Amino acid sequence: DTGVSQNPRHKITKRGQNVTFRCDPISEHNRLYWYRQTLGQGPEFLTYFQNEAQLEKSRLLSDRFSAERPKGSFSTLEIQRTEQGDSAMYLCASSFPTGLNTGELFFGEGSRLTVL
Amino acid sequence: AQKVTQAQTEISVVEKEDVTLDCVYETRDTTYYLFWYKQPPSGELVFLIRRNSFDEQNEISGRYSWNFQKSTSSFNFTITASQVVDSAVYFCALSLIQGAQKLVFGQGTRLTINP
Repeated sequence: DTGVSQNPRHKITKRGQNVTFRCDPISEHNRLYWYRQTLGQGPEFLTYFQNEAQLEKSRLLSDRFSAERPKGSFSTLEIQRTEQGDSAMYLCASSFPTGLNTGELFFGEGSRLTVL
Repeated sequence: AQKVTQAQTEISVVEKEDVTLDCVYETRDTTYYLFWYKQPPSGELVFLIRRNSFDEQNEISGRYSWNFQKSTSSFNFTITASQVVDSAVYFCALSLIQGAQKLVFGQGTRLTINP
């Protein structure tokens, strides 16, 4: 399978615990994105990487959230001290480098977080 | 700020009917990019189309067609002769950047095609 892979697919945690999600993009893609989708809503942009550089962060990404892409390949999204409002689907996407980019984002199937 | 509105929350039609999904957008920028994505039950968003703000030509791809009208800030999506496999949530989105680094999505329209 050469698509975007996200793990775990489902995570149930208690309020106050830390969680980490991993995203493996399509190998030729140097851009990687994180979005959050709550029930019945469209995805909301969280952050974006080009290679290992985090180029933009949304105001939605509070201090409890941190995203990394240490070697410009896979990325992790960590949420510290989870709150019930963090319950959502966390979507990862990747795209081709500049010049080859048609604007199409390739999304993974998401990681669903439930905070009890 | 940019905004995308999909006023139709849910649509249900019988197979083979034509159906149009509405999308209205707001932006003060003159250069922007509009998108449609499909989200089947598996959850993975699938790209359908991108349209530049300076290209108002309508586009047809098989049973899918898109009507872009800058005068009404709309980018509507029509499925002709709908099929059960078209059942999904459809999202309209807008970006100010060609590379679509930061998409602003509408709330989505859940389309159900009944056999």
